[in-house]
Amino acid sequence: GAVVSQHPSWVICKSGTSVKIECRSLDFQATTMFWYRQFPKQSLMLMATSNEGSKATYEQGVEKDKFLINHASLTLSTLTVTSAHPEDSSFYICSAPGTSVSLRRNEQFFGPGTRLTVL
Amino acid sequence: LAKTTQPISMDSYEGQEVNITCSHNNIATNDYITWYQQFPSQGPRFIIQGYKTKVTNEVASLFIPADRKSSTLSLPRVSLSDTAVYYCLVVGGRDDKIIFGKGTRLHILP
Repeated sequence: GAVVSQHPSWVICKSGTSVKIECRSLDFQATTMFWYRQFPKQSLMLMATSNEGSKATYEQGVEKDKFLINHASLTLSTLTVTSAHPEDSSFYICSAPGTSVSLRRNEQFFGPGTRLTVL
Repeated sequence: LAKTTQPISMDSYEGQEVNITCSHNNIATNDYITWYQQFPSQGPRFIIQGYKTKVTNEVASLFIPADRKSSTLSLPRVSLSDTAVYYCLVVGGRDDKIIFGKGTRLHILP
């Protein structure tokens, strides 16, 4: 089946630094990708929609200047957490719709997630 | 996007059949019902999808009544490895964003 990877799988950084997380669709192309954040024992919260060739669309309450998204190609989206603070510590997950590889309605393929810890 | 409601948590024992019901009263004509499973510190993965009646695959069955306002995910003969969070989602367009509800935390006991 279709695979989505994320890199790194975990990262620890100091407060005030920036961290980049990559999301790749390995065997299919995705003009759209989604970024989620998940705190312990909570559900996934959609942060933004990454669009290849255009600006990302952010959900209400998500700071676009803090969470920079770049959809560099049809297989790569990056999320940069700028000036990270301890409250940004979370599990970040990306997904890509498998429109080109799945007959199911809007089947999303999720990455394994990136654990960010800000000290 | 139709809102979904499902139990926050459920416990069951190994070997039992587990049924998780989800309500989606505002489901639209073109919407499909999809269930995902998530293990701790992993991304969700697709389990099953249906539009109406019954769908079965190698992992689960999905029962959808005629009015489509609810659905039931059925996991036959669960094992400890089925302990996970199960999300019921209503999806519309092919590339539309997906909004997750709270999900059902299923705990399988030995």
